[in-house]
Amino acid sequence: GDSVTQMEGPVTLSEEAFLTINCTYTATGYPSLFWYVQYPGEGLQLLLKATKADDKGSNKGFEATYRKETTSFHLEKGSVQVSDSAVYFCALSLRVGGFQKLVFGTGTRLLVSP
Amino acid sequence: EPEVTQTPSHQVTQMGQEVILRCVPISNHLYFYWYRQILGQKVEFLVSFYNNEISEKSEIFDDQFSVERPDGSNFTLKIRSTKLEDSAMYFCASSTNYGYTFGSGTRLTVV
Repeated sequence: GDSVTQMEGPVTLSEEAFLTINCTYTATGYPSLFWYVQYPGEGLQLLLKATKADDKGSNKGFEATYRKETTSFHLEKGSVQVSDSAVYFCALSLRVGGFQKLVFGTGTRLLVSP
Repeated sequence: EPEVTQTPSHQVTQMGQEVILRCVPISNHLYFYWYRQILGQKVEFLVSFYNNEISEKSEIFDDQFSVERPDGSNFTLKIRSTKLEDSAMYFCASSTNYGYTFGSGTRLTVV
């Protein structure tokens, strides 16, 4: 079935370090890909998305490129801040009839220290 | 910016009791969803709802669960007889053809 695999956390970095969180997917069709972020005590917020191969999603300094050949959507940020500490979820969506069903990875906790 | 509103933010209930989790989706959205996140685990799809009926449901969504849109604005998830393993964060979401919006979740604790 359709699935998303993320690197296990926690990822611990110092402020201003480079971040990569790996995400690969398995899907029968042509999914859209997403990164969601969950700050402590809060709900899921869409961070960025890409809807087709070679698209790059970006937001708040984070980027991810939809790589069909490697079925990957790795999240990167050049210089992390303490405020980026959160859990990051990679997800894919497939259209089922008229609606989109999201399939999430297990989440990767990022801890950024000053 | 339009929001999906969930109430309550936290509910504690005794095992075997019925609970109703409430959601107000974004008004012009047509598709409605419930997802669940057991503490420390991934977010899992429970059910989708369109045109006053269930579009798809997961294996988790057994006979103990039901959904309803009673008045054209609220969207509810009912758990008939709660079990300890129902303790989780429950997220409501609504969507158009172009994207999802999630609510901030209801943390359900079954004791």
